[in-house]
Amino acid sequence: DAKTTQPPSMDCAEGRAANLPCNHSTISGNEYVYWYRQIHSQGPQYIIHGLKNNETNEMASLIITEDRKSSTLILPHATLRDTAVYYCIVKRNTGNQFYFGTGTSLTVIP
Amino acid sequence: GAVVSQHPSRVICKSGTSVKIECRSLDFQATTMFWYRQFPKKSLMLMATSNEGSKATYEQGVEKDKFLINHASLTLSTLTVTSAHPEDSSFYICSAKGGASGSVDEQYFGPGTRLTVT
Repeated sequence: DAKTTQPPSMDCAEGRAANLPCNHSTISGNEYVYWYRQIHSQGPQYIIHGLKNNETNEMASLIITEDRKSSTLILPHATLRDTAVYYCIVKRNTGNQFYFGTGTSLTVIP
Repeated sequence: GAVVSQHPSRVICKSGTSVKIECRSLDFQATTMFWYRQFPKKSLMLMATSNEGSKATYEQGVEKDKFLINHASLTLSTLTVTSAHPEDSSFYICSAKGGASGSVDEQYFGPGTRLTVT
């Protein structure tokens, strides 16, 4: 599975959009981009995933570049409860295991 | 969404004893469950993959005789930390691969178990 690179930390003002980048330059054609987040001392929570089209759900939007070498997770109106570590994972859909990188620690500031 | 539970949420044990952690999928059948370990301020590290009715597959560097995994049913997997030592103190998290929704390979994570070995 392709390796991902994320900034270690980011801040975002409450109510503003949080844009979390992820680089996955070695991604293969059959690999999906998944985003999970982990609030302190809890298990990871699924956010969104995509293959090549942009995706949106009630939690976030996922923007994948045309060459698929990078993506951005967008939380449209960040709240204090969105403070967490966000993990970008690239994985083949037929493979079972998720391998977590170091993620981005997002702090939403009042 | 699908719910995965873990029990206990916290456990303190003495060095040399064994501790069992349960992972249950509450509203779906999980043919595959995964166990992770997370040290403070670190990312999740996959320990093993557990398939119902067969032996678990361990990641490189994980001692299978120390971390015993039993996936006895489609809703329950257990991790037993045998002869625990203080360095085994960690946050243990399980996940379960749910029933397919199309080709999506979603996994649902439990809330984690905080193990402290004194």
